[in-house]
Amino acid sequence: AQTVTQSQPEMSVQEAETVTLSCTYDTSENNYYLFWYKQPPSRQMILVIRQEAYKQQNATENRFSVNFQKAAKSFSLKISDSQLGDTAMYFCAFMIVNFGNEKLTFGTGTRLTIIP
Amino acid sequence: NAGVTQTPKFQVLKTGQSMTLQCAQDMNHNSMYWYRQDPGMGLRLIYYSASEGTTDKGEVPNGYNVSRSTTEDFPLRLLSAAPSQTSVYFCASSPRGDTEAFFGQGTRLTVV
Repeated sequence: AQTVTQSQPEMSVQEAETVTLSCTYDTSENNYYLFWYKQPPSRQMILVIRQEAYKQQNATENRFSVNFQKAAKSFSLKISDSQLGDTAMYFCAFMIVNFGNEKLTFGTGTRLTIIP
Repeated sequence: NAGVTQTPKFQVLKTGQSMTLQCAQDMNHNSMYWYRQDPGMGLRLIYYSASEGTTDKGEVPNGYNVSRSTTEDFPLRLLSAAPSQTSVYFCASSPRGDTEAFFGQGTRLTVV
């Protein structure tokens, strides 16, 4: 079974600073995707960034970037120049590419608070 | 662009009652999912459907039932509600071959 572990239940950081959220996963598969989802107080699940396991280059989306270490099975999210609107729950998620049987598995989440 | 629509948004049930949470998507996605979200436990998969006519159990299927008679709809049935089923429920969909999942707004269910 695949598992996703987020070891930081809560984090806080000053506005404009950089913060890194940790995620590790466990799988014996070689072809998979990794995701970070954001859940603000509105409860909506919003995709922040995704990484294909076969790509060595780390994904980047504006202020959000990942550090993907495949051998270590680590997938951390870095938020640069943090903003008040970044306050949310962040979930790391994992999906094996197995057409017809793709199940998205989530970690337990990290509650991030940006302090003005 | 409706995306994934869940109804109702809030529901209170008495123990032992049954009900159906509705989920519909208008993106012609093959895969659909039901998750429950509980504090400290993240999102846990209840049931999954890879295509119309197929369903699979997830991590926490007990007490629930699903069907997928059309591509658009994936209702979740609570057979006999229990307080342990108090949770926020999310429906999601994704197109086969593209793994981004799109989520509904969630249903907050309270069982008293």
